[in-house]
Amino acid sequence: QSVLTQPPSVSGAPGQRVTISCTGSSSNIGARYDVHWYQHLPGTAPKSLIYGNNDRPSGVPDRFSGSKSGTSASLAISGLQAEDEADYYCQSYDSSLSAYVFGTGTKVTVL
Amino acid sequence: EVQLVESGGGLVQPGGSLRLSCAASGFTFINFAMSWVRQAPGKGLEWVCIISGSGSDSYYADSVKGRFTTSRDNSKNTLYLQMNSLTAEDTAVYYCVKKYSGSYHFDYWGQGTLVTVSS
Repeated sequence: QSVLTQPPSVSGAPGQRVTISCTGSSSNIGARYDVHWYQHLPGTAPKSLIYGNNDRPSGVPDRFSGSKSGTSASLAISGLQAEDEADYYCQSYDSSLSAYVFGTGTKVTVL
Repeated sequence: EVQLVESGGGLVQPGGSLRLSCAASGFTFINFAMSWVRQAPGKGLEWVCIISGSGSDSYYADSVKGRFTTSRDNSKNTLYLQMNSLTAEDTAVYYCVKKYSGSYHFDYWGQGTLVTVSS
């Protein structure tokens, strides 16, 4: 099972702002390991969206932002667009498992 | 431009073996750790293993430890995943992934190759 918990789905109308939570524990996010976010459209390669909690790779719109506090992190998408409809995963490292860990994944639907 | 192209997926019987390959280009391969991540049908992403740039160190998820082995040929810019004693639970798309230096972040992903374990 995934050790990082995300809501199964979130939705919003075009132009709205949505947030996706990622809840971990003291052995991963709470242990000060960074949180990273990926966007995945089925059938394609996952894409790095946010790294180091709140940095965006070149080419990622500033509509996407990340934050981290305590044992949780969040991804925010502002000005939601139809092309943002995808699955989103958080990821960190877990010192107890000595393993890279992913969140359960969240499907974003644009209404 | 970074490119990661997986190959070697297919249908294999339970208990069988399969070797995946990943051809890398667009970066200095030996300088970066590489990983395999998989996604079972209808499931989320699951980290499988990682190997250092030199190939001297590798680490595995508990679910594959003792059955899977990752290796690399830096002269050919190629990453491998040898999978033995396969079960239905190993059915997944396997992604070849480049790790960002100095971070636990994966910055580039391949398109994936499908492995189906079924009789």
